[in-house]
Amino acid sequence: KAGVTQTPRYLIKTRGQQVTLSCSPISGHRSVSWYQQTPGQGLQFLFEYFSETQRNKGNFPGRFSGRQFSNSRSEMNVSTLELGDSALYLCASSFGQGDTGELFFGEGSRLTVL
Amino acid sequence: AQSVTQPDIHITVSEGASLELRCNYSYGATPYLFWYVQSPGQGLQLLLKYFSGDTLVQGIKGFEAEFKRSQSSFNLRKPSVHWSDAAEYFCAVVGGGADGLTFGKGTHLIIQP
Repeated sequence: KAGVTQTPRYLIKTRGQQVTLSCSPISGHRSVSWYQQTPGQGLQFLFEYFSETQRNKGNFPGRFSGRQFSNSRSEMNVSTLELGDSALYLCASSFGQGDTGELFFGEGSRLTVL
Repeated sequence: AQSVTQPDIHITVSEGASLELRCNYSYGATPYLFWYVQSPGQGLQLLLKYFSGDTLVQGIKGFEAEFKRSQSSFNLRKPSVHWSDAAEYFCAVVGGGADGLTFGKGTHLIIQP
């Protein structure tokens, strides 16, 4: 059974640009959550999608957005990039809604903003 | 809002020795508690979880954790560590369904030969 796949794995952007990250969940999983990981702030919850609907959203500015498609694949977008957006972005999937906590994580997309 | 504290940023243990990683949480009701492990360059893997019932839970890779409500703790233990256990360990809590998982800052485990 394939795991959670995130693309791209690494990317470099400059301030002011935007970026789109993609996540393919484990087959049959309907929930996709996104987390930001930085050395200073640790792991922080961005948002969760379940059956194409955003269920929960963390405390991030509106520049961070996401969506989920009918096949459960998800994308997140960050507009007007800032230096502080440099981070590892982790996607996690679960069969049911993500607040049971049993999440399967991808390896992440490492974003560097110059 | 819930919070998680992992007091030890780094822990060094000799291979074959026992291990205990500390985790304290803050949440009004009975939380769902988790331990995840992250190896370098990898995502997170669930080691074990506590929802309710028996307060001593068994996980993968020989790990166990004990929920102590009176101490608001959920410490992770392993009787004998292996070099492959070197990684970052995260304690997490979820409650109320509003904010996803709340993670601690992590404990970096170093294994000495």
